Amino acid sequence: GDSVTQMEGPVTLSEEAFLTINCTYTATGYPSLFWYVQYPGEGLQLLLKATKADDKGSNKGFEATYRKETTSFHLEKGSVQVSDSAVYFCALSLYNFNKFYFGSGTKLNVKP
Amino acid sequence: DAGVIQSPRHEVTEMGQEVTLRCKPISGHDYLFWYRQTMMRGLELLIYFNNNVPIDDSGMPEDRFSAKMPNASFSTLKIQPSEPRDSAVYFCASIQGQAQNIQYFGAGTRLSVL
Repeated sequence: GDSVTQMEGPVTLSEEAFLTINCTYTATGYPSLFWYVQYPGEGLQLLLKATKADDKGSNKGFEATYRKETTSFHLEKGSVQVSDSAVYFCALSLYNFNKFYFGSGTKLNVKP
Repeated sequence: DAGVIQSPRHEVTEMGQEVTLRCKPISGHDYLFWYRQTMMRGLELLIYFNNNVPIDDSGMPEDRFSAKMPNASFSTLKIQPSEPRDSAVYFCASIQGQAQNIQYFGAGTRLSVL
């Protein structure tokens, strides 16, 4: 079935360190891929997305590239800040948009 | 637009009581989703609606849970009777189908059943 697998957390980094959060997916069709972020006490909000193979989504210094050959959508940021501390969710939706599959979430802690 | 609005933000109740959670989706959005988030199980889809009609309720844990969407601007999730294991954060989300397929989430309702 369709699913998303992302790396276990928590991930703890020092400020200005490089971040990678791995995400791989399984899908029967051609999904759109997303990264959502959840700050403490808040709902999920879209961070970035990609709708087809080789697309790169980017926002607030975060990037992820839709890799069909490896069925991956890894999240990266070159220099994290304390304010990036949050839980990050990888997700996919299929062409009909009416069902979304979320990963289990990866908690990121950034220390000053 | 004010975004997806959920109420209450926090609910504390005793086991056996009825609990009703409310959601107002973004105007013009035709899909509405209810999720439950716990530490143990992560984010689980409970049910979703399209044009006010329930499409898939396979995630609803048991008959104690029910959801309605009487019109395009309002939905409820009801638990009757509530149990301590229902304690979680419940999120509502909406999308405009066929347009960017981005889910917009509410801030959630934190439910504690004592």
